[in-house]
Parts: sequence; structure tokens; C-alpha cells
Amino acid sequence: SQTIHQWPATLVQPVGSPLSLECTVEGTSNPNLYWYRQAAGRGLQLLFYSVGIGQISSEVPQNLSASRPQDRQFILSSKKLLLSDSGFYLCAWGQTSYEQYFGPGTRLTVT
Amino acid sequence: QKEVEQNSGPLSVPEGAIASLNCTYSDRGSQSFFWYRQYSGKSPELIMSIYSNGDKEDGRFTAQLNKASQYVSLLIRDSQPSDSATYLCAANPGANNLFFGTGTRLTVIP
Repeated sequence: SQTIHQWPATLVQPVGSPLSLECTVEGTSNPNLYWYRQAAGRGLQLLFYSVGIGQISSEVPQNLSASRPQDRQFILSSKKLLLSDSGFYLCAWGQTSYEQYFGPGTRLTVT
Repeated sequence: QKEVEQNSGPLSVPEGAIASLNCTYSDRGSQSFFWYRQYSGKSPELIMSIYSNGDKEDGRFTAQLNKASQYVSLLIRDSQPSDSATYLCAANPGANNLFFGTGTRLTVIP
């Protein structure tokens, strides 16, 4: 069966610091991978998605970036965090059925 | 614009009752629809998918799709306190992405 991991689970970072969140998927190959952000009391905002190694599509212009160095690894980064970057970051994977399955998430607080 | 709209609630139902959650979508090209359950502080969990007009039943859950009216619903029979969560509706417009509604918060009162 497929499993998706995210770490860290919780992160508190000061404004202006860098960020790196990691997501890995097990039990499948060539998945579509997604990064979402959910701000408090808000809906899911798609940030990036990837259909293959090195292929990244950005949905929202901002100070975040994503990379996919391996088939089942997806990384979300920032060089300098803003207060508005606080939120619940969710990685998801999916394939041809269009269903998406979410990881446990990382709760980021920027102070 | 590809939008999915849900009533934010909260929707309160007594234990044992039927909870009815509704969702409308704007993109007529959408072919696949999904319901996710999200407990407070947790990530969304896929509970139902529906691709054809009509009803799809899975245990206490029934998803209903009406493409002519651009309407999706989720019925939860014999609601339990453990069903208390936010329910997210999502639609796929034919690309690799899903468009999510903002969710309906359901509270089942014992």
C-alpha cells in the first residue's frame, strides 16, 4: 500500500529565515505530487504540482519554490519567510484517477 | 474561473440523524468529484469519489452527483459524534489538479 510522509510535523521559524519541507511517497512510482497551504479557517490553496522529476508547475506567485529531485520526493523551500507564510502545509500524491491522498501535514508558524 | 462552493456551516445534526452536505461547481467540464473529511488539526482524508450522475453508496455515506445542475452532495446516515469534522468537496476539471471548496463544518450532537 502507499504511504506519504511529511516532516517536520511542526515548525516555528522567525521572519526572514529559510524554509525546507520534505515529502516522500512510498509504494508507488511516478506519482503526481502536490503542495497545498491551508491558512487558519481557510480553504486549500494549491501552491505547486509536479508530474515528474524536475517538472514543477507553480500556481501562485510568491516567495516559495518547489523541487522534485527524485521520483517520490517533493521539497518546498523558501529563502526568506514572511509572516503570511504561516499555515498548514500539505503534500499530496495522485495518479490517473485524479484522486489525491494527503500526507499528515506540517504546521508552520512564522514569528 | 473554476470554483467549488460549499456552505461553511456549522451544520448541527443530532446523533442518528441524516447529515446532508452540499456543493456546487462552476466548471461544466468537471468530470470527477471527491469528498474529503478533515478532523480539526489533521490532514484531509478521502472518503468518497463519484464520476457518474446518480448515487454512489459506501457504508453510511452516499454521494450524489447531478452534472446538469452542477451539484454534488454527501449524505451521512446514522450520524455519529465521530463524524464531526469539516467536509471538503473537490472537483477535477480534467487536468491534474483538484479545486476544493472551503468546507462545511459538521457537528453531530450526542
